[in-house]
Amino acid sequence: DTAVSQTPKYLVTQMGNDKSIKCEQNLGHDTMYWYKQDSKKFLKIMFSYNNKELIINETVPNRFSPKSPDKAHLNLHINSLELGDSAVYFCASSRTLAGGLETQYFGPGTRLLVL
Amino acid sequence: SQQGEEDPQALSIQEGENATMNCSYKTSINNLQWYRQNSGRGLVHLILIRSNEREKHSGRLRVTLDTSKKSSSLLITASRAADTASYFCATDLGTASKLTFGTGTRLQVTL
Repeated sequence: DTAVSQTPKYLVTQMGNDKSIKCEQNLGHDTMYWYKQDSKKFLKIMFSYNNKELIINETVPNRFSPKSPDKAHLNLHINSLELGDSAVYFCASSRTLAGGLETQYFGPGTRLLVL
Repeated sequence: SQQGEEDPQALSIQEGENATMNCSYKTSINNLQWYRQNSGRGLVHLILIRSNEREKHSGRLRVTLDTSKKSSSLLITASRAADTASYFCATDLGTASKLTFGTGTRLQVTL
């Protein structure tokens, strides 16, 4: 069974479109995250949620809106896509919100290409 | 600002050799983790070392932490082709559940 799953795996779309990426974890974890990995492999946190509550919201354009319907799901909706949004987006989860003590479990990534 | 910087950026070795990669960070930390990322996949946790620990082992992995130098190293002994991946250090800032990842070292192990 996949612990952290994301859909879709690949997403190719035109500039200006709106798209969503879904994430689900079956580990029973309380905390979930969204990361963006650019072409140079630099991984940067975007958001984190703990029990459906937003904890971290880094300086991400408000075109990006996360939604957590329950603690097993954290979706990412992106409005008005721009070329610079092209990247790999990773979802991750951890058992609790406990700083660097917790192992994070990553999904396989969603490769977004904006044309 | 980026917390961790890995060195070297890329490393190519032959199977059976040891691989050492280093991570330097700028501010005090409570914990440091190492992750591996195979090409086209998500990151996988390898090992966690706390700020009051100096060395930790897990199988063929050995991690050291020198808080006075604000640096950590990851040693992979007797490398295998399957160790080919990117390796990232990740540090916490102690005040929030946030890991800040380094730039990564790309390791290539050839037969």
